[in-house]
Amino acid sequence: GAVVSQHPSWVICKSGTSVKIECRSLDFQATTMFWYRQFPKQSLMLMATSNEGSKATYEQGVEKDKFLINHASLTLSTLTVTSAHPEDSSFYICSASPPPQGLTEAFFGQGTRLTVV
Amino acid sequence: GNSVTQMEGPVTLSEEAFLTINCTYTATGYPSLFWYVQYPGEGLQLLLKATKADDKGSNKGFEATYRKETTSFHLEKGSVQVSDSAVYFCALSGGFNKFYFGSGTKLNVKP
Repeated sequence: GAVVSQHPSWVICKSGTSVKIECRSLDFQATTMFWYRQFPKQSLMLMATSNEGSKATYEQGVEKDKFLINHASLTLSTLTVTSAHPEDSSFYICSASPPPQGLTEAFFGQGTRLTVV
Repeated sequence: GNSVTQMEGPVTLSEEAFLTINCTYTATGYPSLFWYVQYPGEGLQLLLKATKADDKGSNKGFEATYRKETTSFHLEKGSVQVSDSAVYFCALSGGFNKFYFGSGTKLNVKP
């Protein structure tokens, strides 16, 4: 099946710094990717929809200035957690689907565990 | 709006026991329904799916039937194995693979 890869798999950063997480579709192009976060012992919550060539669409309650999303190419979306704080510590995971979008299976990255100290 | 409710865990079973994990949903329109599995330290893997009412998804001995009348998509397996220990997520997608997940149910299978 298709492969979606995230990098890094885990990262530890100091409070106040920014962290960039990459999501790549390795063998297909994706005009849309999705970013989710998972708090410990909780479900995955959709954060935003990343759209290639245009602004991301954020879910209600997600701070767009804190979680910057850039979908610069058809195979790469990045999520930057700006001025990270301990409460941002979470598991972040992305997903993408081969075209035609919406008619094929979604593939998830392996996730990035962010720990802010 | 769209939401998914699934039974809380953890669920602890002995090997070869019968498994049921309940899942109900609320959705606008006609969503597709999914079960994903997350093994320790790994990302999500699609376990099975159903795209319309009365469809039955099945894979690796697991199955679930899309019940529109009860808005349910319960996961079942007749005989669990230790290797089935994982977290199971029920999810729906209203289109374009934008997912809404349940809270996840951790399954522990003991030998």
